[in-house]
Amino acid sequence: QVQLQESGPGLVKPSETLSLTCTVSGGSISSSSFYWGWVRQPPGRGLEWIGSISYSGRTSYYPSLKSRVTISVDTSKNQFSLRLSSVTTADTAVYYCARKVGATDYFDSWGQGTLVTVSS
Amino acid sequence: QSALTQPASVSGSPGQSITISCTGTSSDVGSYNLVSWYQQHPGKAPKLMIYEVSKRPSGVSNRFSGSKSGNTASLTISGLQADDEADYHCCSYAGSSIVVFGGGTKLTVL
Repeated sequence: QVQLQESGPGLVKPSETLSLTCTVSGGSISSSSFYWGWVRQPPGRGLEWIGSISYSGRTSYYPSLKSRVTISVDTSKNQFSLRLSSVTTADTAVYYCARKVGATDYFDSWGQGTLVTVSS
Repeated sequence: QSALTQPASVSGSPGQSITISCTGTSSDVGSYNLVSWYQQHPGKAPKLMIYEVSKRPSGVSNRFSGSKSGNTASLTISGLQADDEADYHCCSYAGSSIVVFGGGTKLTVL
């Protein structure tokens, strides 16, 4: 059974870049059946899709975040990563990595989530 | 793309049935049979409960069912149990490889 684990700093200063990595175990990130995505949840609020990537590097991003987001994949390490630039306090959230079935469909496996706080 | 619209909260007594709505537009929910639902207990990661409008993953109780009419999808939980108390989130494909979530609904089992 595939498992996902987020890692990265829990505190980021305003205007800096948030960087997180998701390590996939129990399965290969190089499967053509899946995309790999990031979803965030601000405190007390709903889920927000950030973007997704295929094993070959094909990406899609949420339009309102597109100018600040970069998602990349490292198949040799079975990892994918998120970079969100120019962060503000509005980017404070629990960030989840998840496996997405195909480019258009659902998220069937999730990491446990990691809280990232933007504060000086 | 705007978030899908869900009621902030719903409630029901043990054994009863409840329905949570998820309203989108003709560009997302109305155009694709690609609506999914997730259950989230406090402090936990979301769990897939329904995909492609009405399909249940292996291991999910048949008390959970999904449907869609026009631009609105619905999640129905029958025979409410205490452990069903959680937040529920809907999600839809919105074209151009984009997905959009709803704002989430808090289910209280009275």
